[in-house]
Amino acid sequence: AQSVTQPDIHITVSEGASLELRCNYSYGATPYLFWYVQSPGQGLQLLLKYFSGDTLVQGIKGFEAEFKRSQSSFNLRKPSVHWSDAAEYFCAVGAKYGGSQGNLIFGKGTKLSVKP
Amino acid sequence: KAGVTQTPRYLIKTRGQQVTLSCSPISGHRSVSWYQQTPGQGLQFLFEYFSETQRNKGNFPGRFSGRQFSNSRSEMNVSTLELGDSALYLCASSLDLGTEQYFGPGTRLTVT
Repeated sequence: AQSVTQPDIHITVSEGASLELRCNYSYGATPYLFWYVQSPGQGLQLLLKYFSGDTLVQGIKGFEAEFKRSQSSFNLRKPSVHWSDAAEYFCAVGAKYGGSQGNLIFGKGTKLSVKP
Repeated sequence: KAGVTQTPRYLIKTRGQQVTLSCSPISGHRSVSWYQQTPGQGLQFLFEYFSETQRNKGNFPGRFSGRQFSNSRSEMNVSTLELGDSALYLCASSLDLGTEQYFGPGTRLTVT
């Protein structure tokens, strides 16, 4: 069955510290992977995506993620966290890029708190 | 370019009533998907439309339905509302099927 696991429900980091949010997926085919961020009361904003090529992808707001096929992981990283990064982060997997179905399967999310 | 818009943003309904939510995709996007977000179940896929046709459907009862118009705008309808339908309903648009999805701000539905 297709699934996405985000092992950490809540993470707290100090402002300026580095961040890594974990994501593991289970998907039969080559996955199309995403990270989204959601601020309270808002919709989801796309941070970055991976569908082929370089396994290290850069996104907006200084985020990057690395696809590791052998570990079925797509972890999100940021070298220095800002207070405005406090939000909930969702990892998602979709069918192959350009396929006939576009529905996404989401993890349960990781809530990030930032200490001053 | 304007983002995905959803109306209304907030809605309060009573059990047994029905509700219609609207979504306008990003200009030029032809695919619209709907998701339900609740604290307990997280984000769950409802359905996906492309060229006015439902291409994919999630595991929801028949009370949940949707449609897409020729201008790619989409509506979803929930009939005979239940308390458990209280959720944030998110619409996402994409250029084509299987490409990255951009989400609207959502409609917060409360059923009393």
